[in-house]
Amino acid sequence: GQNIDQPTEMTATEGAIVQINCTYQTSGFNGLFWYQQHAGEAPTFLSYNVLDGLEEKGRFSSFLSRSKGYSYLLLKELQMKDSASYLCAVRGSNTGGFKTIFGAGTRLFVKA
Amino acid sequence: DGGITQSPKYLFRKEGQNVTLSCEQNLNHDAMYWYRQDPGQGLRLIYYSQIVNDFQKGDIAEGYSVSREKKESFPLTVTSAQKNPTAFYLCASSPRGGGSTDTQYFGPGTRLTVL
Repeated sequence: GQNIDQPTEMTATEGAIVQINCTYQTSGFNGLFWYQQHAGEAPTFLSYNVLDGLEEKGRFSSFLSRSKGYSYLLLKELQMKDSASYLCAVRGSNTGGFKTIFGAGTRLFVKA
Repeated sequence: DGGITQSPKYLFRKEGQNVTLSCEQNLNHDAMYWYRQDPGQGLRLIYYSQIVNDFQKGDIAEGYSVSREKKESFPLTVTSAQKNPTAFYLCASSPRGGGSTDTQYFGPGTRLTVL
């Protein structure tokens, strides 16, 4: 089957670094996405990984290991506005790339 | 100013009534999607469309219907056959609907409450 696991909640301190992990099982792989979603709002795209390694984009970085079915999102210099849910999503290649599976999200609380 | 719009943001309906949620995009994207989000769960795909006049069922299509008569528009109808329609509904679009770097972009969502 297809499954995505990520922690339900995390808490971190303003200015610190936090790593949000995601493990997945899919029948085929065609890319992994991270989205940020503030409460009651739409998810916004953060990053995309299709090859192994680290992609850095400002304060946010995303890592992928396809052999381990594992990704993480790294947030540096945390700000209060980073308090949100972070969704890990994987596109399976066996469906022609049209179907993306979303995890339930990790709710991050940033405290002062 | 390109983007995806959904209206209304909040919608209340009585049980047994059909209701149609609007989704419009001016990004010239080929593919459009409808998701449902419930507390503590991931986004679940209801329907998707790769091209005008074509659409496919997602994982939870029962009780829903869609149309794709124009590239820009993908309305979702929640029918009385949907047993638990109260949820946050998200519309998304992507440029090609299948390429390896085909990122989905989301509208602001409609929160539907059935009384």
